[in-house]
Amino acid sequence: DAGITQSPRHKVTETGTPVTLRCHQTENHRYMYWYRQDPGHGLRLIHYSYGVKDTDKGEVSDGYSVSRSKTEDFLLTLESATSSQTSVYFCAISEPRLVREQFFGPGTRLTVL
Amino acid sequence: GQQVMQIPQYQHVQEGEDFTTYCNSSTTLSNIQWYKQRPGGHPVFLIQLVKSGEVKKQKRLTFQFGEAKKNSSLHITATQTTDVGTYFCAGLRGGSNYKLTFGKGTLLTVNP
Repeated sequence: DAGITQSPRHKVTETGTPVTLRCHQTENHRYMYWYRQDPGHGLRLIHYSYGVKDTDKGEVSDGYSVSRSKTEDFLLTLESATSSQTSVYFCAISEPRLVREQFFGPGTRLTVL
Repeated sequence: GQQVMQIPQYQHVQEGEDFTTYCNSSTTLSNIQWYKQRPGGHPVFLIQLVKSGEVKKQKRLTFQFGEAKKNSSLHITATQTTDVGTYFCAGLRGGSNYKLTFGKGTLLTVNP
């Protein structure tokens, strides 16, 4: 498996609180992605990054922000969590100069009460 | 925006039966990728198809990419219990900045 870790792996929080999820890679891949996975919806792209400090929105970006200050770290922040953001969050990486496949992290299960 | 439709949503088979999942894009794709996610796990890359009409095989799995590069299928021959999981197709458009659009997946369960 590619060197991707996500932290925390599980989190329970309350509505209105800020939450930050971290994705860390040791592969030096240029692209990093945040997805959410919900029953019946598959994997939906939240935000992605194509380099340090270069980020762009995905299809479900409302209520989320991201930052990438180093190649290896990609942070996803929920400024004020809502129950609709209860989901499993996956980070993925890719290096298009080599192959176009994406390697996924183990996921973070977030519950917003 | 681009949509990728995948059917069926669920498929339950007896061990030894065949299984097929179909993927259809609203736009022409640069390539299509297939991933497998075991229950409780994360998606894992299976294969990428790039050429119109391409067919690739991995043991009991056969992947096809349509002539118009808008549809694809995954066929598993003689399913085994180890095939259990959700199979996703994911389409990449040309010039898409390497953003994949995933289908909703097909959950395969196999009765031993």
